Amino acid sequence: GAVVSQHPSRVICKSGTSVKIECRSLDFQATTMFWYRQFPKQSLMLMATSNEGSKATYEQGVEKDKFLINHASLTLSTLTVTSAHPEDSSFYICSAPGDRRLNNYGYTFGSGTRLTVV
Amino acid sequence: EDQVTQSPEALRLQEGESSSLNCSYTVSGLRGLFWYRQDPGKGPEFLFTLYSAGEEKEKERLKATLTKKESFLHITAPKPEDSATYLCAVQAVEDSNYQLIWGAGTKLIIKP
Repeated sequence: GAVVSQHPSRVICKSGTSVKIECRSLDFQATTMFWYRQFPKQSLMLMATSNEGSKATYEQGVEKDKFLINHASLTLSTLTVTSAHPEDSSFYICSAPGDRRLNNYGYTFGSGTRLTVV
Repeated sequence: EDQVTQSPEALRLQEGESSSLNCSYTVSGLRGLFWYRQDPGKGPEFLFTLYSAGEEKEKERLKATLTKKESFLHITAPKPEDSATYLCAVQAVEDSNYQLIWGAGTKLIIKP
């Protein structure tokens, strides 16, 4: 089945530095990628939707200059947390929808990235 | 406003003790309802998709059902390895981006 590979799984960075998270669709083309943030004991919060070849759509309250999303190809979407601060520490997860042309309305999730900013 | 509410927040069961998790939803038009399992520090793992009221799906000890207002995830004779957070999400017909509306999840703990 469809697999989304997310890297890194864990990252610790110093305050003020930038961190890039990659999500690759391994055996299918992901024209859309959803980026989520999850706080402890809470559900998934949608941050933005990236579309291949166009600008990402950010949810209300999400700073697009801080969370840079690039969807340069049909198999790769990246999230860069710029000038990270301790409050950016969280669990970030990407997700790609299935091929609707095949009536596949499911979603495939990456394994998540635990970001800790110190 | 489209909304998903899961209950209970947490559920502790003895191994073998069957129970159900609830997912109530409010959406103008339902395209699909999804159940996922999430282990700590991992991304959600797909379990089921339900599309219409009356539909049921089963997988091992899990069975998901759907009505026009809610879905139940029944777990029969659970084992400790079934311990996880179970997430419910819905997709609305009018959402052209196919975004999911998530519930807060039910943390299930199965004690041996």
